[in-house]
Amino acid sequence: QSALTQPASVSGSPGQSISISCTGSSSDVGAYQYVSWYQQHPGKAPKLMIHDVSDRPSGVSNRFSGSKSGNTASLTISGLQAADEADYYCSSYTASGTLVFGGGTRLTVL
Amino acid sequence: QVQLQESGPGLVKPSGTLSLTCTVSTDSFNSYYWSWIRQPPGKGLEWIGHIYHSGNTNYNPSLNRRVSISIDTSKNEFSLNLRSVTAADTATYYCARDLGIGDAFDIWGKGTFVTVSS
Repeated sequence: QSALTQPASVSGSPGQSISISCTGSSSDVGAYQYVSWYQQHPGKAPKLMIHDVSDRPSGVSNRFSGSKSGNTASLTISGLQAADEADYYCSSYTASGTLVFGGGTRLTVL
Repeated sequence: QVQLQESGPGLVKPSGTLSLTCTVSTDSFNSYYWSWIRQPPGKGLEWIGHIYHSGNTNYNPSLNRRVSISIDTSKNEFSLNLRSVTAADTATYYCARDLGIGDAFDIWGKGTFVTVSS
């Protein structure tokens, strides 16, 4: 299974909105409503931010939202804050019953 | 609250077997899938596989021939064995609670770093 494709880096200024894309195939992202997004700060374990494409776990800010169109999912962060600077990973369930992650995106808050 | 803790050797010799255990503090151990995920230094996340309390497992195809995950419901523990390791298996290994269908990981251990070296 091939890793999902994410941009290596994105950046934005405080208060702005940014989006991170996650492109897969008709066998993973395009086939199921099972895309998740994780935030990882340096030296820390990942934190679940979005699951099932657009659902936010309890305690996650509503500044984080997810969507999907075809084989590409997106994470949008609005009202960017310094604390949002981190690595972000998408993942998707696959037709093989396995899970695949994206390569990760480094978000820099300018 | 639910907590996960990885344990095991931090150093494994090449061609040896990497063995880790994840101990889970929860009253609902049998209600979830439990997964192992790893992250090589400076690189991205890789799903290794998961297990249910029934013993049903599913593995990453790229590791399928070398990996096995087992579970001990009496101890609220699940374990990872990765055989024939090389330097490429050097990574931080995380255990995580898996919400099941769709495999979203909502609770993670802190991770344990394993070096493969002679």
